[in-house]
Amino acid sequence: DGGITQSPKYLFRKEGQNVTLSCEQNLNHDAMYWYRQDPGQGLRLIYYSQIVNDFQKGDIAEGYSVSREKKESFPLTVTSAQKNPTAFYLCASSTDRTGTDTQYFGPGTRLTVL
Amino acid sequence: AQSVTQLGSHVSVSEGALVLLRCNYSSSVPPYLFWYVQYPNQGLQLLLKYTSAATLVKGINGFEAEFKKSETSFHLTKPSAHMSDAAEYFCAVSKATGTASKLTFGTGTRLQVTL
Repeated sequence: DGGITQSPKYLFRKEGQNVTLSCEQNLNHDAMYWYRQDPGQGLRLIYYSQIVNDFQKGDIAEGYSVSREKKESFPLTVTSAQKNPTAFYLCASSTDRTGTDTQYFGPGTRLTVL
Repeated sequence: AQSVTQLGSHVSVSEGALVLLRCNYSSSVPPYLFWYVQYPNQGLQLLLKYTSAATLVKGINGFEAEFKKSETSFHLTKPSAHMSDAAEYFCAVSKATGTASKLTFGTGTRLQVTL
């Protein structure tokens, strides 16, 4: 079955640690996205990538980093510079650049800082 | 800049009653509009989208939405609510940037369905 997988489902981090969230898709989509979801704030874009080895900052990129070495994979690293990382993180992918195509979402990773 | 406003963070309806979730948008160019649904601790699933074809858009699970340019609205409706409709609903507007289309989401409306 085609889709987007995210791992782990739950992640706990101590303050000062970097953690990496995995996102893999087998939909052959060119574009991939990372969103952060906080209660009452909707989803906010962290980073997005249109092609391999290229990515752009979204609205809240500070304290995060990404890589896009393969078309299928778009991992997100939450660094110690992110002041309030506890949130639900969602990865998505889509196929075109016209704005009409659907973004398909993974099941999410819930990150909690201890 | 584009934005969407969802009026009402919580909406409660009785089973069998009409569902109406409100979304107003702001966009300097013709918008593409989406409604997504999210069940607890899950990702988002597309309900329907408007891409400048028919103004009345039908989606999955009996939902539909009407694009009204004069009112800058894209409200989501369902004639008869079912218990399984209880979830959070997000309206979003899209604009192609030349590199990748980006979605701007509203803050969401949580729908409660009561017996």
